[in-house]
Amino acid sequence: GENVEQHPSTLSVQEGDSAVIKCTYSDSASNYFPWYKQELGKRPQLIIDIRSNVGEKKDQRIAVTLNKTAKHFSLHITETQPEDSAVYFCAAVSSAGGADGLTFGKGTHLIIQP
Amino acid sequence: DAGVIQSPRHEVTEMGQEVTLRCKPISGHDYLFWYRQTMMRGLELLIYFNNNVPIDDSGMPEDRFSAKMPNASFSTLKIQPSEPRDSAVYFCASRTTAGNTEAFFGQGTRLTVV
Repeated sequence: GENVEQHPSTLSVQEGDSAVIKCTYSDSASNYFPWYKQELGKRPQLIIDIRSNVGEKKDQRIAVTLNKTAKHFSLHITETQPEDSAVYFCAAVSSAGGADGLTFGKGTHLIIQP
Repeated sequence: DAGVIQSPRHEVTEMGQEVTLRCKPISGHDYLFWYRQTMMRGLELLIYFNNNVPIDDSGMPEDRFSAKMPNASFSTLKIQPSEPRDSAVYFCASRTTAGNTEAFFGQGTRLTVV
């Protein structure tokens, strides 16, 4: 099955600086890569996603890049704000075998320092 | 739609007791996922269903864990007998096949086994 590795496990940045979280995946058949944000005590919620026919996608301060050849994708947050503090999860969906599993990385705890 | 509904929100039980967690997916979603979240292991995929059929249960830790989906609107995750190391937050999520789309999470069940 799919294996998703995520780094770093903890990331501390100064407010206003950029944050980058990186993920790799193992299944070359994976074709959908969502990112979820989980605030303390709450459920994970989708913040951005990218499909395998796209190399980059941007939504205001967040962007995601995908390199299918290298099997890695990254989340970029610019001009970080205190409300960006949360745990971020990357995930990969593979349609191999006709059924779409959704496998998550272990998460990155992003801390925005004032 | 009220979203993915899980019950109970909190469960405290004694070691050796049977625990049943419940999930109602979003109407029309044909995928249902069960995840376990701990600090050490992050979001672990336990099992997922497609059209009520279990597709991949390789994440189920032991025979003590079982999951069922008797119909499109209900799923259960059962632990029998429960052990202290089963303490975690258990999330249910659902999504639709139509394109690669967002998985929606329930509020989670916080299980404590003492």
